[in-house]
Amino acid sequence: DIQMTQSPSSLSASVGDRVTITCQASQDITNYLNWYQQKPGKAPKLLIYGASTLETGVPSRFSGSGSGTDFTFTISSLQPEDIATYYCQQYNTVLWTFGQGTKVEIK
Amino acid sequence: EVQLVQSGGGLVQPGGSLRLSCAASGFTFRSYWMHWVRQAPGKGLVWVSRINNDGGSTTYADSVKGRFTISRDNAKNTLYLQMNSLRAEDTAIYYCARGVGGASRDWGQGTLVTVSS
Repeated sequence: DIQMTQSPSSLSASVGDRVTITCQASQDITNYLNWYQQKPGKAPKLLIYGASTLETGVPSRFSGSGSGTDFTFTISSLQPEDIATYYCQQYNTVLWTFGQGTKVEIK
Repeated sequence: EVQLVQSGGGLVQPGGSLRLSCAASGFTFRSYWMHWVRQAPGKGLVWVSRINNDGGSTTYADSVKGRFTISRDNAKNTLYLQMNSLRAEDTAIYYCARGVGGASRDWGQGTLVTVSS
């Protein structure tokens, strides 16, 4: 199975800060990577698919990049409503795997 | 509007069985692969199983293989997860999700399964 290593596990930043989360795959997954946002008590929400394509309706302050084994998710200017846990997910194989999640808090 | 409405969760004893349902509306159910994803209390997301659009192909995570069975009834627009030989470590919120490409764009509200004596 492909393992997804996400870091950091949590972070605290101020409103307006740039926030970056990384996700590393245990083998080459080309660009078969998605990013999700999950708020407490809610189902996950797809933000980015194919490593860098923004889902319709998602604010442009969210972005993704990378290919192969190393990927980055960025919030260009953190907003209070972005408080959530973020997960990467690979779909290079039929056995999907998620990263461990990154909890984003406001400082 | 796409809707996935889940039912069937609850408290079950170790070794017991439970069947989850996920009723779909707002899209052509028979055209999409469907997935189950779970989340243990306070933990991360874990993919459980997927089924192709006509039900002819299924895949399972190693942790549930041989115990869980995913199925669908395209006439009823409903996805199922039959869970047998349940263990304490199966305690989680279970989500159904619609697969579009390699992503899950739409999710059910989640249903809690608690395995405890």
